[in-house]
Amino acid sequence: EAGVVQSPRYKIIEKKQPVAFWCNPISGHNTLYWYRQNLGQGPELLIRYENEEAVDDSQLPKDRFSAERLKGVDSTLKIQPAELGDSAVYLCASSLGLAGPTDTQYFGPGTRLTVL
Amino acid sequence: AQSVTQLGSHVSVSEGALVLLRCNYSSSVPPYLFWYVQYPNQGLQLLLKYTSAATLVKGINGFEAEFKKSETSFHLTKPSAHMSDAAEYFCAVSILLNYGGSQGNLIFGKGTKLSVKP
Repeated sequence: EAGVVQSPRYKIIEKKQPVAFWCNPISGHNTLYWYRQNLGQGPELLIRYENEEAVDDSQLPKDRFSAERLKGVDSTLKIQPAELGDSAVYLCASSLGLAGPTDTQYFGPGTRLTVL
Repeated sequence: AQSVTQLGSHVSVSEGALVLLRCNYSSSVPPYLFWYVQYPNQGLQLLLKYTSAATLVKGINGFEAEFKKSETSFHLTKPSAHMSDAAEYFCAVSILLNYGGSQGNLIFGKGTKLSVKP
Protein backbone atom coordinates (compact mmCIF):
# COMPACT_ATOMS: atom_id res chain seq x y z
CA GLU A 1 0.00 0.00 0.00
CA ALA A 2 1.39 3.39 -0.95
CA GLY A 3 1.99 5.84 1.84
CA VAL A 4 1.37 9.57 1.97
CA VAL A 5 3.10 11.24 -0.96
CA GLN A 6 4.40 14.78 -0.82
CA SER A 7 6.15 16.95 -3.33
CA PRO A 8 8.49 18.60 -3.70
CA ARG A 9 10.81 17.13 -1.06
CA TYR A 10 12.96 20.26 -0.95
CA LYS A 11 12.29 23.84 -1.93
CA ILE A 12 14.51 26.90 -1.72
CA ILE A 13 13.01 30.29 -2.45
CA GLU A 14 13.70 33.93 -1.76
CA LYS A 15 11.54 35.83 0.67
CA LYS A 16 8.38 37.37 -0.73
CA GLN A 17 8.12 34.62 -3.34
CA PRO A 18 5.12 32.25 -3.41
CA VAL A 19 5.46 28.52 -2.80
CA ALA A 20 3.10 25.55 -2.93
CA PHE A 21 3.24 22.08 -1.47
CA TRP A 22 1.25 19.10 -2.68
CA CYS A 23 0.02 16.07 -0.75
CA ASN A 24 -1.62 12.83 -1.86
CA PRO A 25 -3.00 10.93 1.15
CA ILE A 26 -3.38 7.20 1.55
CA SER A 27 -6.28 5.92 -0.52
CA GLY A 28 -9.51 5.85 1.45
CA HIS A 29 -8.33 8.19 4.18
CA ASN A 30 -10.94 10.85 4.84
CA THR A 31 -8.93 13.05 7.17
CA LEU A 32 -5.94 15.04 6.02
CA TYR A 33 -3.61 17.18 8.13
CA TRP A 34 -0.95 19.77 7.38
CA TYR A 35 1.73 20.32 10.02
CA ARG A 36 4.72 22.61 10.29
CA GLN A 37 7.82 21.33 12.04
CA ASN A 38 10.41 23.90 13.00
CA LEU A 39 13.97 22.83 13.64
CA GLY A 40 14.27 21.06 16.97
CA GLN A 41 10.52 21.06 17.59
CA GLY A 42 7.62 18.71 17.27
CA PRO A 43 5.07 19.09 14.48
CA GLU A 44 2.37 21.73 14.97
CA LEU A 45 -0.96 21.46 13.24
CA LEU A 46 -1.82 24.07 10.63
CA ILE A 47 -5.08 22.73 9.23
CA ARG A 48 -7.20 19.60 9.27
CA TYR A 49 -9.67 18.44 6.64
CA GLU A 50 -12.52 15.99 6.91
CA ASN A 51 -13.14 15.10 3.27
CA GLU A 52 -13.31 18.50 1.55
CA GLU A 53 -14.15 20.52 4.64
CA ALA A 54 -11.54 22.35 6.67
CA VAL A 55 -12.77 21.50 10.16
CA ASP A 56 -9.91 23.13 12.06
CA ASP A 57 -7.85 25.93 10.56
CA SER A 58 -7.42 27.91 13.76
CA GLN A 59 -3.60 27.67 13.61
CA LEU A 60 -3.27 28.59 9.94
CA PRO A 61 -1.85 32.11 9.43
CA LYS A 62 -4.52 33.18 7.02
CA ASP A 63 -2.88 36.39 5.91
CA ARG A 64 -0.30 34.44 3.91
CA PHE A 65 -1.22 30.76 4.06
CA SER A 66 -4.00 29.05 2.17
CA ALA A 67 -4.97 25.45 1.62
CA GLU A 68 -7.42 23.48 -0.41
CA ARG A 69 -8.51 19.89 -0.75
CA LEU A 70 -10.44 19.50 -3.93
CA LYS A 71 -12.65 16.43 -4.30
CA GLY A 72 -11.61 15.31 -0.84
CA VAL A 73 -8.38 13.65 -1.98
CA ASP A 74 -5.22 15.63 -2.85
CA SER A 75 -4.40 18.81 -1.03
CA THR A 76 -2.28 21.87 -1.69
CA LEU A 77 -0.80 24.23 0.89
CA LYS A 78 0.33 27.62 -0.35
CA ILE A 79 2.36 30.43 1.17
CA GLN A 80 2.26 33.86 -0.44
CA PRO A 81 4.44 35.74 0.19
CA ALA A 82 6.98 33.63 2.06
CA GLU A 83 8.92 35.09 4.97
CA LEU A 84 12.23 34.04 6.49
CA GLY A 85 10.41 32.56 9.47
CA ASP A 86 8.52 30.15 7.24
CA SER A 87 11.62 28.01 6.83
CA ALA A 88 10.57 24.63 8.22
CA VAL A 89 9.50 21.14 7.23
CA TYR A 90 5.88 20.93 6.12
CA LEU A 91 4.36 17.56 6.85
CA CYS A 92 1.18 16.08 5.48
CA ALA A 93 -0.60 13.27 7.30
CA SER A 94 -3.78 11.31 6.73
CA SER A 95 -6.03 9.02 8.73
CA LEU A 96 -9.14 6.96 8.15
CA GLY A 97 -11.18 9.38 10.22
CA LEU A 98 -13.27 6.65 11.83
CA ALA A 99 -11.75 6.37 15.30
CA GLY A 100 -11.91 9.98 16.45
CA PRO A 101 -9.20 10.84 18.96
CA THR A 102 -7.58 7.39 18.71
CA ASP A 103 -7.14 7.55 14.94
CA THR A 104 -3.65 6.72 13.75
CA GLN A 105 -2.13 9.41 11.60
CA TYR A 106 0.20 8.37 8.77
CA PHE A 107 2.81 10.92 7.80
CA GLY A 108 4.46 11.74 4.53
CA PRO A 109 8.20 12.48 4.27
CA GLY A 110 7.64 16.22 4.31
CA THR A 111 8.78 19.20 2.26
CA ARG A 112 11.77 21.05 3.61
CA LEU A 113 11.36 24.74 2.82
CA THR A 114 14.25 27.17 3.00
CA VAL A 115 13.47 30.86 2.60
CA LEU A 116 16.50 33.04 1.83
CA ALA B 1 -5.62 22.27 27.97
CA GLN B 2 -3.70 19.14 27.15
CA SER B 3 0.05 19.00 26.69
CA VAL B 4 3.06 16.70 26.82
CA THR B 5 6.57 17.31 28.08
CA GLN B 6 9.52 15.23 27.00
CA LEU B 7 12.40 15.27 29.43
CA GLY B 8 15.77 15.36 27.72
CA SER B 9 16.24 16.60 24.19
CA HIS B 10 19.13 14.16 23.67
CA VAL B 11 19.65 10.68 25.07
CA SER B 12 22.69 8.55 24.33
CA VAL B 13 22.93 4.84 25.09
CA SER B 14 25.29 2.04 24.20
CA GLU B 15 24.19 -0.73 21.89
CA GLY B 16 22.49 -3.42 23.97
CA ALA B 17 21.65 -1.06 26.82
CA LEU B 18 18.20 -0.14 28.07
CA VAL B 19 16.44 2.69 26.27
CA LEU B 20 14.25 4.98 28.40
CA LEU B 21 12.63 8.05 26.89
CA ARG B 22 10.48 10.11 29.21
CA CYS B 23 7.12 11.70 28.54
CA ASN B 24 4.79 13.39 31.01
CA TYR B 25 1.35 14.60 30.08
CA SER B 26 -1.09 17.17 31.35
CA SER B 27 -4.77 16.52 30.82
CA SER B 28 -7.96 17.21 32.71
CA VAL B 29 -9.54 14.10 31.21
CA PRO B 30 -8.15 10.60 30.67
CA PRO B 31 -5.79 11.03 27.73
CA TYR B 32 -4.99 9.11 24.62
CA LEU B 33 -1.22 9.04 24.12
CA PHE B 34 1.06 8.22 21.22
CA TRP B 35 4.73 7.67 20.54
CA TYR B 36 6.06 8.39 17.05
CA VAL B 37 9.56 7.89 15.64
CA GLN B 38 11.18 10.04 12.96
CA TYR B 39 14.23 8.83 11.06
CA PRO B 40 16.37 11.45 9.27
CA ASN B 41 14.63 13.00 6.28
CA GLN B 42 11.53 10.89 6.81
CA GLY B 43 8.06 11.45 8.15
CA LEU B 44 6.81 10.26 11.51
CA GLN B 45 5.91 6.62 12.05
CA LEU B 46 3.65 5.37 14.84
CA LEU B 47 5.41 3.20 17.42
CA LEU B 48 2.49 2.62 19.75
CA LYS B 49 -0.58 4.25 21.27
CA TYR B 50 -2.50 4.13 24.52
CA THR B 51 -6.25 4.20 24.16
CA SER B 52 -7.36 3.32 27.72
CA ALA B 53 -7.25 -0.45 27.34
CA ALA B 54 -4.12 -2.11 28.78
CA THR B 55 -1.77 0.26 30.60
CA LEU B 56 1.28 -1.53 29.21
CA VAL B 57 1.32 -1.01 25.48
CA LYS B 58 3.58 -2.96 23.15
CA GLY B 59 4.62 -1.43 19.87
CA ILE B 60 6.80 -2.11 16.90
CA ASN B 61 10.55 -2.79 16.93
CA GLY B 62 10.50 -4.07 20.51
CA PHE B 63 9.37 -0.80 22.10
CA GLU B 64 6.77 -0.57 24.83
CA ALA B 65 5.33 2.13 27.05
CA GLU B 66 3.45 2.10 30.33
CA PHE B 67 0.66 4.52 31.17
CA LYS B 68 0.91 5.60 34.81
CA LYS B 69 -1.93 7.84 35.84
CA SER B 70 -0.52 8.53 39.30
CA GLU B 71 2.70 9.85 37.75
CA THR B 72 1.04 11.37 34.65
CA SER B 73 3.68 9.57 32.62
CA PHE B 74 3.93 7.51 29.46
CA HIS B 75 7.62 6.61 29.22
CA LEU B 76 8.95 4.65 26.26
CA THR B 77 11.33 1.74 26.85
CA LYS B 78 13.23 -0.91 24.96
CA PRO B 79 15.30 -3.53 26.78
CA SER B 80 18.20 -3.59 24.33
CA ALA B 81 19.12 -0.78 21.97
CA HIS B 82 20.13 -1.41 18.38
CA MET B 83 22.06 0.93 16.14
CA SER B 84 18.97 1.16 13.96
CA ASP B 85 17.03 2.75 16.84
CA ALA B 86 18.94 6.01 16.42
CA ALA B 87 16.25 8.54 15.53
CA GLU B 88 14.08 11.24 17.05
CA TYR B 89 11.13 10.18 19.17
CA PHE B 90 8.00 12.24 19.76
CA CYS B 91 5.34 11.81 22.41
CA ALA B 92 1.90 13.17 21.58
CA VAL B 93 -1.51 13.56 23.21
CA SER B 94 -4.79 13.55 21.35
CA ILE B 95 -7.22 16.38 21.96
CA LEU B 96 -10.43 14.96 23.42
CA LEU B 97 -12.74 17.95 23.67
CA ASN B 98 -14.20 19.19 20.42
CA TYR B 99 -13.60 22.94 20.47
CA GLY B 100 -13.64 24.29 16.96
CA GLY B 101 -13.28 20.88 15.39
CA SER B 102 -10.09 20.07 17.28
CA GLN B 103 -11.06 16.65 18.60
CA GLY B 104 -8.50 14.11 17.45
CA ASN B 105 -5.79 16.66 16.77
CA LEU B 106 -2.38 15.70 18.13
CA ILE B 107 -0.23 17.89 20.36
CA PHE B 108 3.39 16.84 20.12
CA GLY B 109 6.26 17.21 22.53
CA LYS B 110 9.53 18.73 21.40
CA GLY B 111 11.12 15.37 20.76
CA THR B 112 14.05 13.39 22.11
CA LYS B 113 16.93 12.50 19.85
CA LEU B 114 18.29 9.04 20.61
CA SER B 115 21.89 8.21 19.79
CA VAL B 116 23.19 4.64 20.01
CA LYS B 117 26.90 4.09 20.50
CA PRO B 118 28.61 0.92 19.24
